[in-house]
Amino acid sequence: DAGVTQSPTHLIKTRGQQVTLRCSPKSGHDTVSWYQQALGQGPQFIFQYYEEEERQRGNFPDRFSGHQFPNYSSELNVNALLLGDSALYLCASSLAGVVLGEQYFGPGTRLTVT
Amino acid sequence: AQSVAQPEDQVNVAEGNPLTVKCTYSVSGNPYLFWYVQYPNRGLQFLLKYITGDNLVKGSYGFEAEFNKSQTSFHLKKPSALVSDSALYFCAVSVREGGGNKLTFGTGTQLKVEL
Repeated sequence: DAGVTQSPTHLIKTRGQQVTLRCSPKSGHDTVSWYQQALGQGPQFIFQYYEEEERQRGNFPDRFSGHQFPNYSSELNVNALLLGDSALYLCASSLAGVVLGEQYFGPGTRLTVT
Repeated sequence: AQSVAQPEDQVNVAEGNPLTVKCTYSVSGNPYLFWYVQYPNRGLQFLLKYITGDNLVKGSYGFEAEFNKSQTSFHLKKPSALVSDSALYFCAVSVREGGGNKLTFGTGTQLKVEL
């Protein structure tokens, strides 16, 4: 049973550039959430996708956008990168039909903005 | 708005001794509470959750947590700590809103178990 996978593992970008991160949910899961974890902090919720639509959004600017595909995989896009966007980006999947079921996390993508 | 507080940045305990990692929460509705563990350079791993029912919740690897509504707390416990339990522990809360189930995390507590 494949768990949550994310790509790439590491990424280095320059300020002002754009980046796309990818996530494949755990087999059987239909909901994908994205979190940003800055160094020494807890994860912060960015948004959640279900049925290819953004269902919930945290306090992140519009530079952060996402997409969910028919196979439930998801992308996180960040435009006009800032130094402060450097963080570990975590993807989590869950099953919408399970009331407040636990979210399963991937290993994350470490983004460094220089 | 929902929030979680983990008052201790680090907890040190000797192997074989009981451990407690503290968590308090603030929500406007019924809280749904979770504990996750993070090992270096890894994602978060689910330990246990409280949705409703018995206030003592048992989870993975011998961990348990006690929900206390009056004190708005959800402390993580283990009767006998192992060196391999050393990791970063996060408490999280969720409420049902708009069909979503976003998690709000605390800042984490580093657990160090020594021989």
